[in-house]
Amino acid sequence: DAKTTQPPSMDCAEGRAANLPCNHSTISGNEYVYWYRQIHSQGPQYIIHGLKNNETNEMASLIITEDRKSSTLILPHATLRDTAVYYCIVRDGGSQGNLIFGKGTKLSVKP
Amino acid sequence: NAGVTQTPKFRVLKTGQSMTLLCAQDMNHEYMYWYRQDPGMGLRLIHYSVGEGTTAKGEVPDGYNVSRLKKQNFLLGLESAAPSQTSVYFCASSYSMGSGRGFNQPQHFGDGTRLSIL
Repeated sequence: DAKTTQPPSMDCAEGRAANLPCNHSTISGNEYVYWYRQIHSQGPQYIIHGLKNNETNEMASLIITEDRKSSTLILPHATLRDTAVYYCIVRDGGSQGNLIFGKGTKLSVKP
Repeated sequence: NAGVTQTPKFRVLKTGQSMTLLCAQDMNHEYMYWYRQDPGMGLRLIHYSVGEGTTAKGEVPDGYNVSRLKKQNFLLGLESAAPSQTSVYFCASSYSMGSGRGFNQPQHFGDGTRLSIL
């Protein structure tokens, strides 16, 4: 089972920031937080990941709370092409095997 | 800039037929994975490989076989297809940091193979 909780859906106006929350209250010290997204009928796309510190790349920012029990993915200027299902995943960095994708958040960016 | 390429993109099989799905990556990644995704569900791991010549079972391995004869290729075989194997199959690869480390590295996915078994 997924170790994360995400809202099933969110809307965002085009050009505005999209803030996608994720709860992972049982996260352990070795587990990273990953974000992927899946645009309809395509393969999942890696966005960003982090352990403790906030992270930023060309796609998004990841804000992790100090107690690491929740995080927020920020898309600073959402476009229509950002409409997708966003998955928050926690995973032990030293473990083999799969990423456990839950149901994710369906983000709809509207004009 | 190919990344992970899956062939074929679509296929329809009859029950009992066999086939092989091919995954190729050009990023020199050590780790490769096969997942399946069913409607309304997340991805589930079928098999994975940590290097050339090695494979391991994932969450749902029954009815599938895999081979990793070359580092850049990971093949998924269905020996006797069943309707329950109708699904979208995704291949992924990731970088290794060596010495078994590196599973924290992000996985890069192909665009999937849509397989229907009648």
